[in-house]
Amino acid sequence: QQQVKQSPQSLIVQKGGISIINCAYENTAFDYFPWYQQFPGKGPALLIAIRPDVSEKKEGRFTISFNKSAKQFSLHIMDSQPGDSATYFCAARVQGAQKLVFGQGTRLTINP
Amino acid sequence: GAGVSQSPSNKVTEKGKDVELRCDPISGHTALYWYRQSLGQGLEFLIYFQGNSAPDKSGLPSDRFSAERTGGSVSTLTIQRTQQEDSAVYLCASSFYGDSQTQYFGPGTRLLVL
Repeated sequence: QQQVKQSPQSLIVQKGGISIINCAYENTAFDYFPWYQQFPGKGPALLIAIRPDVSEKKEGRFTISFNKSAKQFSLHIMDSQPGDSATYFCAARVQGAQKLVFGQGTRLTINP
Repeated sequence: GAGVSQSPSNKVTEKGKDVELRCDPISGHTALYWYRQSLGQGLEFLIYFQGNSAPDKSGLPSDRFSAERTGGSVSTLTIQRTQQEDSAVYLCASSFYGDSQTQYFGPGTRLLVL
């Protein structure tokens, strides 16, 4: 089953707080897990990505945690800022293919 | 450099009409993807082009949808006999070959079928 399930659908966090978005998958033939950020009226842009042989990747305030046995991965945004308000999509690449399967998206709002 | 461009940015059409959506990928990117983003939904893969290889059409929802890529650059997505359920944002992305994890998206074409 080539699906990625993302939660929550929407999330409101106070400025300075931690935003956490979760994704789960069933297909073990995924070999790459990127997160994309989309602002209104714009196309999604790659934010951060991880391979399944790594349990955590951090870039600035953004961290991906990956649990291979549970088939789950999550995005953590530390010290969340109003400028982080956007829609976030997790995705997974089908091994051997050149397409991404996307989650349903999470609309994140950071209150000042 | 220039990013992925798409035209038109908005398109309103009547049910039953045909529409053409255009995508100009980043120069040098040999891979091109089309996605559909319905309201409140994730991105749904439609089709993938790589160079002169046969495209991966596995995501096209019906035979009313088709796409072509001329000269390995510009791509056109055509929807024939549009239906109201075709209303969505159509996104195009491009990447270097083998680097599908790093796709660069255009701003999309917002299609509304009345």
